[in-house]
Amino acid sequence: KAGVTQTPRYLIKTRGQQVTLSCSPISGHRSVSWYQQTPGQGLQFLFEYFSETQRNKGNFPGRFSGRQFSNSRSEMNVSTLELGDSALYLCASSFWGTVAPHFYEQYFGPGTRLTVT
Amino acid sequence: AQSVTQLGSHVSVSEGALVLLRCNYSSSVPPYLFWYVQYPNQGLQLLLKYTSAATLVKGINGFEAEFKKSETSFHLTKPSAHMSDAAEYFCAVSSPTRDDKIIFGKGTRLHILP
Repeated sequence: KAGVTQTPRYLIKTRGQQVTLSCSPISGHRSVSWYQQTPGQGLQFLFEYFSETQRNKGNFPGRFSGRQFSNSRSEMNVSTLELGDSALYLCASSFWGTVAPHFYEQYFGPGTRLTVT
Repeated sequence: AQSVTQLGSHVSVSEGALVLLRCNYSSSVPPYLFWYVQYPNQGLQLLLKYTSAATLVKGINGFEAEFKKSETSFHLTKPSAHMSDAAEYFCAVSSPTRDDKIIFGKGTRLHILP
């Protein structure tokens, strides 16, 4: 089956601009989560969406937002970009089984490398 | 609050030797624990997860981890290292309610010596 796709793969933006990143999950997966990876802060959880609802959010300012569509595709938006937003943004799609022993699978996309100048 | 500590930002082992990557967690509730691997210039891959079933968890690529509540540890092991295991490994913790965010460790870069 097709993997998680993220577009674009690379992006260069200027401070103050906004950016939208897209993530298409694996077919059948209704949960999409986003992560930021930087050399200084490491991997940090941004937010998780399930069936078009934000289920959880990490400790990021309101400039970071996201949404999920009815086909489970998700977008994240960063407004008023700052230099510190330069990072690899990873998206993951996951599936939790509802019957014990609760089958779980999670797959990550290759990421979007955002550079803010 | 939850946290996770990975001991050793870099670990080197010889090809064929035992791989041991250490992870200790802190959690006020029984946790879910994960190990991820990231190969150079690639996204993350889930190696294995602990979700309160068996304490010895087997993952992909021959890796396994043991949940030890008394030691608050979830160390990752592999009996025999391969060159292809060279990568960065992340331990992570979240809560069983799935309402809590996942917290990652700082990562351990594994080097395999020929």
